[in-house]
Amino acid sequence: DGGITQSPKYLFRKEGQNVTLSCEQNLNHDAMYWYRQDPGQGLRLIYYSQIVNDFQKGDIAEGYSVSREKKESFPLTVTSAQKNPTAFYLCASSNREGGKNIQYFGAGTRLSVL
Amino acid sequence: AQKVTQAQTEISVVEKEDVTLDCVYETRDTTYYLFWYKQPPSGELVFLIRRNSFDEQNEISGRYSWNFQKSTSSFNFTITASQVVDSAVYFCALSEADAGKSTFGDGTTLTVKP
Repeated sequence: DGGITQSPKYLFRKEGQNVTLSCEQNLNHDAMYWYRQDPGQGLRLIYYSQIVNDFQKGDIAEGYSVSREKKESFPLTVTSAQKNPTAFYLCASSNREGGKNIQYFGAGTRLSVL
Repeated sequence: AQKVTQAQTEISVVEKEDVTLDCVYETRDTTYYLFWYKQPPSGELVFLIRRNSFDEQNEISGRYSWNFQKSTSSFNFTITASQVVDSAVYFCALSEADAGKSTFGDGTTLTVKP
C-alpha cells in the first residue's frame, strides 16, 4: 500500500537529549513537510523540502533539524535546543504536479519529555 | 502573508442536523488552492477537497458540500445530516500555487452526538 509511515508512534525525550523522528513515503512525491501540532491548535510548519538535498525553514524551525538525502525519507531531529518539544508531530508529502499541492499525512508521532 | 481563519473553535450538534464550518482566508496571490482536511481522533489528517482560485463552482460529494466565494474570501464546508462518525477536527488550508507549502487554520472541533 502506498502511504506515509511515521515512527515511532510515541517517543519520550530526556532533558538535553536529541531525538529523531522518522518519516518515509512510497508515493514518489517530491515534496515533504514536518508540522507540529499542540493541543487545541492548528498545524505549524517546521521544515519542508521540495527536492532531494534541499530544504527550507518553516515558521518554527528553531530547535529542529532535518535532512533529505533520499526522496522517500525526511527525518526530523528535535535537538536539546528545543525547550518545549512536547507535541504531536505530523509528516506530510505532496506531488506538485498531478494532485497539485494536496498533502498526504502520516499517522503522527507523539513526543513527550520525561 | 497568507492567513486562514476558522472562527468556530468547537461546534456540537445532534445527529442528523446540518452543520456548516466557516473558513475565511487572506492572500495577495491571484492563483492559489484551498483545502479541507479531516483529523479524526486517531490523529492522521485526511484530505477532503481541493479548490483552485479560478474555480468558484460549488461542489457536493455525498453529504459534504463546499461553498467557495472569492468575493468574501470564504470557503465554507457543510455536512448534511451529520453522523457520529463525522466527529473530528476539520482544518481549512491555503496554498500558493507554486510554493507547495500550505497555511492551516486552527481547526474546528466538531462533535456529533447521537
